Formats: sequence, C-alpha cells, structure tokens
Amino acid sequence: AQSVTQLDSQVPVFEEAPVELRCNYSSSVSVYLFWYVQYPNQGLQLLLKYLSGSTLVKGINGFEAEFNKSQTSFHLRKPSVHISDTAEYFCAVSSQGGSEKLVFGKGTKLTVNP
Amino acid sequence: SQTIHQWPATLVQPVGSPLSLECTVEGTSNPNLYWYRQAAGRGLQLLFYSVGIGQISSEVPQNLSASRPQDRQFILSSKKLLLSDSGFYLCAWASGTGGLGTEAFFGQGTRLTVV
Repeated sequence: AQSVTQLDSQVPVFEEAPVELRCNYSSSVSVYLFWYVQYPNQGLQLLLKYLSGSTLVKGINGFEAEFNKSQTSFHLRKPSVHISDTAEYFCAVSSQGGSEKLVFGKGTKLTVNP
Repeated sequence: SQTIHQWPATLVQPVGSPLSLECTVEGTSNPNLYWYRQAAGRGLQLLFYSVGIGQISSEVPQNLSASRPQDRQFILSSKKLLLSDSGFYLCAWASGTGGLGTEAFFGQGTRLTVV
C-alpha cells in the first residue's frame, strides 16, 4: 500500500521569497505523483504531476517539483511566491498499473505574508 | 468538456438523521469515482471509490455507505449521522481508461456539520 508524508503542516513565508513544500512517499511499486492546491472552501486543482521521464516537472502558476526515486521524495518549489499563492497544498500518489486509489498526504498550509 | 457537480454546498444535520450527498459527472463515460472526507488537520481521507456501476470499494469502516446506480452518478449515504461525520466531503473522478496516470477532477465539496 502507498502512503504520503508531508513533513510541514504549516509554512509561513514573505512575499517574493522562495518556498519548498516537502513530500515523501512510500510504495512497493512504481508510482505516479501529484501536487494539488486547495483554496478555502473549494475543491482541489492539479498543479503538476509526474508520470515518467524527466524528474523535474513544471506546473501551473510557476510551481515545479522534482522526483527523487532514491529519496522517495517529490518536493514542490517556487522561486518567488505571491500573496495569491496562500492556500493548502496536497501531495498525492497512485501506483502504476495497480490499484485505482489516489492517496493524499495531510496537506501543507502555505501562508504568504506581505 | 467534462464537469463534475456536487451538492449541496453546505448542510447542517442533527445527530441521528440520514444523509444523502450526490455527485454527477458530465462529458465522460465509465469514469472512476471517489468520495473523500477532509477533516481539520487530517488531510484527505479516501472513503470509497468505484470503477463501475454497482462496484464500490470501501476504504474506511464506518457508518457511511456509497452507491453508484448509474455510470456517472455517485451517492454517499448514512442512515444515522454521528458528530464525528462532520467535515468537508469531496467527490472526484478520473479517467477509467487511463487509470490514475491521468488527472483527477474534484467537485466543489459539501461542508457537512452534524449538530
């Protein structure tokens, strides 16, 4: 079975600063990896996904993530954040060719301060 | 284009009352469908998923149930609500043919408060 650990429940940063949101996963098989964003009282929106190929994945709103198989990590980064990036971010994993389940981490609340 | 509808947006129900939340998807066929619950500080918990009509997989034993009476309809139910059932419920769909290598699309959620 897969599992996801998001190491930080809350991350406060100042506007225009860089940010990294950490995600580690556990799985006995190869995986697909996702980052979603949730604005208050809304559903989730996909930021980016890793399926195969290049380990550096670029997504919407200037976010990117790097898949590191040896460290079983998929950390999300943005070089310069805006106030509008304030939201909750979820890392998720599914197994390749196996169960149809999509398993989420507990989320990281990113707060961008002026 | 595909759309997902989930209602109601908010719901306040007394303890012991029944529950029915409905989710429908348009613009696709044979989707995989999911119910998640989001409680404060606990992230997204997968409750049920379905890969076809009448096929329901339960992830967490509890007093909730799910049904899929039609290809693009997914219903979450309870006969008697508990206080612990309060939370934000999200329905999602993903392509059945591409599996979860494709994007999962989420509804806007239902905020359930059991009083």
